[in-house]
Amino acid sequence: AQSVSQHNHHVILSEAASLELGCNYSYGGTVNLFWYVQYPGQHLQLLLKYFSGDPLVKGIKGFEAEFIKSKFSFNLRKPSVQWSDTAEYFCAVIPKLSSNTGKLIFGQGTTLQVKP
Amino acid sequence: DTAVSQTPKYLVTQMGNDKSIKCEQNLGHDTMYWYKQDSKKFLKIMFSYNNKELIINETVPNRFSPKSPDKAHLNLHINSLELGDSAVYFCASSHSSGGTLSGANVLTFGAGSRLTVL
Repeated sequence: AQSVSQHNHHVILSEAASLELGCNYSYGGTVNLFWYVQYPGQHLQLLLKYFSGDPLVKGIKGFEAEFIKSKFSFNLRKPSVQWSDTAEYFCAVIPKLSSNTGKLIFGQGTTLQVKP
Repeated sequence: DTAVSQTPKYLVTQMGNDKSIKCEQNLGHDTMYWYKQDSKKFLKIMFSYNNKELIINETVPNRFSPKSPDKAHLNLHINSLELGDSAVYFCASSHSSGGTLSGANVLTFGAGSRLTVL
């Protein structure tokens, strides 16, 4: 079955530290990939997405992610985190074959806590 | 302006009760979804509706009945609530048309409705 793994469940960083959140998926075909973020009390919002082309994608708020097909990974990075980045981060994939169904497969989420 | 709004945000109820969660989107999308986030924080799709028509039903117990009066609304009604129904329920919407490079599978989510069954 298709699945998404986020290895870091809880990450604590100081402001200005660099961030990398891991995401791996299991599916043999081509996929579309997403990172969503949920700030405390707010809705899930799209950080960035990868459909095709340059495997390094840039999103909002200085986030970027790199798709490495050979590793089935789509890790999220930010060079310098801020206290306002404290949130839950979710990686999600959808096989391109079923991309019009909206049936995203989510990882378990990573709680990021940034200390001021 | 909230794009996808859900009410209520919190719901605490007794086992056996019937409850509803409402969802509305003002994005002009034609597809709406319900996702359930379990205690381990995994989000899993329950239903999707396109233009008021049920498209996906992921083997959810028939105690759960989605209703879409129009394409801007998708409500979730749950009968005979059980302890295991306690979860956060997320509504989402998207466009349905277009190819794989379109916005067809870019979902916009609501803030979630936390249901606690006692």
